[in-house]
Amino acid sequence: EAGVVQSPRYKIIEKKQPVAFWCNPISGHNTLYWYLQNLGQGPELLIRYENEEAVDDSQLPKDRFSAERLKGVDSTLKIQPAELGDSAVYLCASSLLPGQLNNEQFFGPGTRLTVL
Amino acid sequence: EDQVTQSPEALRLQEGESSSLNCSYTVSGLRGLFWYRQDPGKGPEFLFTLYSAGEEKEKERLKATLTKKESFLHITAPKPEDSATYLCAGYSTLTFGKGTMLLVSP
Repeated sequence: EAGVVQSPRYKIIEKKQPVAFWCNPISGHNTLYWYLQNLGQGPELLIRYENEEAVDDSQLPKDRFSAERLKGVDSTLKIQPAELGDSAVYLCASSLLPGQLNNEQFFGPGTRLTVL
Repeated sequence: EDQVTQSPEALRLQEGESSSLNCSYTVSGLRGLFWYRQDPGKGPEFLFTLYSAGEEKEKERLKATLTKKESFLHITAPKPEDSATYLCAGYSTLTFGKGTMLLVSP
């Protein structure tokens, strides 16, 4: 069974440029998460989807970050414009059951973003 | 505000030298406590979920326990392949700790 797929794996951009990350969850997983992980820190939740609906986006900086999950499968996270402080690893995860049931999350390998 | 604190930040063990990692939490309405393992350059890999104080779960050389204020990950007779960063997370708002970086030397 294929795991969570993310692309690109690495991205280097200049500040003020836009950037987008793509995530394909495990087939059949209705819940999708986007996390940000800085070096030496644990992941920080940005947004959680149940199917197409963003059920928790309270930590998403909405002035520059946006996300979508059309058709309840793939998801895209966008930053526009990027700032130096956005350099981090962006992780996508999926789970079979709705988030409130404490079920196991499967993580992708992440996209490492460097903003110059 | 939910908080999850892990200690120590880093731990170096000799192969076969058992030890424990600590995760203390202040999470309102805790619904579960997760443990994950993360290897360099990879996403976290699920290990355990604990739901209530007194609960214990085991997997190979790892055993996770939960009290009302903290969780422990006990590593028995570790091997070099157990070297990784171990993360815990409290589920109410999915708050992760910073992790404990474990290095096991042969």
